[in-house]
Amino acid sequence: GENVEQHPSTLSVQEGDSAVIKCTYSDSASNYFPWYKQELGKRPQLIIDIRSNVGEKKDQRIAVTLNKTAKHFSLHITETQPEDSAVYFCAAASSGFQKLVFGTGTRLLVSP
Amino acid sequence: DTEVTQTPKHLVMGMTNKKSLKCEQHMGHRAMYWYKQKAKKPPELMFVYSYEKLSINESVPSRFSPECPNSSLLNLHLHALQPEDSALYLCASSQELTGGYNEQFFGPGTRLTVL
Repeated sequence: GENVEQHPSTLSVQEGDSAVIKCTYSDSASNYFPWYKQELGKRPQLIIDIRSNVGEKKDQRIAVTLNKTAKHFSLHITETQPEDSAVYFCAAASSGFQKLVFGTGTRLLVSP
Repeated sequence: DTEVTQTPKHLVMGMTNKKSLKCEQHMGHRAMYWYKQKAKKPPELMFVYSYEKLSINESVPSRFSPECPNSSLLNLHLHALQPEDSALYLCASSQELTGGYNEQFFGPGTRLTVL
C-alpha cells in the first residue's frame, strides 16, 4: 500500500520568511496530493491540492510542486504570518480509490 | 450548507458502555469516512462508505461498528472500548465521481475518552 513520508516534523520561521515542507510517496499509481492545515483542536482543512497531470499550482502565498518521477511533492508558503502556525499534513490518493494516506505532519511555528 | 457536523463534541465512556457518534452532511456527497486521530499523529482511515454501502474497512476491531442510514448520515457505534481507543474521531465526506478524486471535507470531530 501507499506510504507517505513528510519532513521536517517541526519548522520554526520568522514572520515574513518562507517555509517549505516536503513529502515523498511510494505508490506510483497515486495521482492526487492534497495538503491539509490543522490548527490546535480544530478540524483538518484543505489548503491546496494538486493532481498528477500538473507540476505546480499556486494560490496566493501558497504553492505546491509535484515531481512524479521522483515521487516528491512540496508545499511552499511565502511571507509567512503568525496565523500560519499549525500542523500541516500532506496526503496521497489513487484515482477511483477513496483512500487518503497522510504524512506524519509538520508543526509550523511562525514567530512575530 | 457546506459543512460536515458531528455530535457529540466530547464523549466520556466506560469500557462497558455503548455509545454512538453521529455525522451529518447536506452537500449531496455520496462518500463518507470515519478517521481516528491520536494526539500529534495524522488521521488514520477507519471506514469508507460509498453510496451508503461499506466499501473500505481498514481492519478495524469489531467494537467499532459503522452505519450509514442514508446519504446524509453516518454513525459509529461503540461498544466495549479500551482506554487506548481514546482519540479524536473525525468524519469526512466527498463527492463520488467515477475516475476522479475529490476533496474530503472534515467535520470538527468527537473527542472520545474511554475510562
